[in-house]
Amino acid sequence: EVQLQQSGPELQRPGASVKLSCKASGYTFTEYYMYWVKQRPKQGLELIGRIDPEDCSTDYVEKFKNKATLTADTSSNTAYMQLSSLTSEDTATYFCATYDRGFAYWGQGTLVTVSS
Amino acid sequence: DIQMTQSPHSLSASLGETVSIECLASEGISNYLAWYQQKPGKSPQLLIYYASSLQDGVPSRFSGSGSGTQYSLKISNMQPEDEGVYYCQQGYKYPRTFGGGTKLELK
Repeated sequence: EVQLQQSGPELQRPGASVKLSCKASGYTFTEYYMYWVKQRPKQGLELIGRIDPEDCSTDYVEKFKNKATLTADTSSNTAYMQLSSLTSEDTATYFCATYDRGFAYWGQGTLVTVSS
Repeated sequence: DIQMTQSPHSLSASLGETVSIECLASEGISNYLAWYQQKPGKSPQLLIYYASSLQDGVPSRFSGSGSGTQYSLKISNMQPEDEGVYYCQQGYKYPRTFGGGTKLELK
C-alpha cells in the first residue's frame, strides 16, 4: 500500500525558514516524481513544484522559485521541502503527492502557520 | 501556463439528484484531465483521470466526459457523502494546474 507520511504542524515566526518532510512507502521511491501542493485556508490547490528522486532534478512553478527548495533522500525514501523567508502569505497546508495519470496518492498535509 | 476555469463556484443538490460541474481549459489538453474530491481537513482524492476513466474504488455514479478544452464531471444519484469541494486538473503540460474548485452541498 502506497503511503506518504508528512511531518507535523509548524508554527513559525515571520522571516524564519521551515523544512517539511514526506516519507514514502509501498512503492519504489525513485519511480515517480514527488510533487508539492499548497492550499491556503479555505482556498484552492496550487502546485509548487516537483522533484525527480532518481536524480534530484527539480522543476518549480515560477512564483515559488525563490520560496521553496525541494530535495530528496533515497536512503530514507523521504522528500523534503524548505520554505524560506516566511510571511503570512505562507500560512497554508502543504501536501506532497505522486503523479500517475493523476495525483493518485497524497500525504495527509502539513499545516504551516506563520505568526508573530 | 494552462488556466483551468471551473463552474459553478458552488451548488447544492437534493438526495438522488444528478449534478454536473464544468471545467474549461485555456487551450486544448487532449483529455489529460483529472477530477478530485476534497472533504474538510482531508487530502484530495482522485476520482477520474484521462477525462473519463474511473479511479479504482470510486463509485460508478461519478463519471467524466469532454474533449478539447471543455470537460465535465457528472454525479448521479447524489449521496450525503458526495458533499465536498471538487477540483479539475490538467496533466497535458507542466505545470499541472488546478481549477478553482466547486463546492457541492446537500440541499
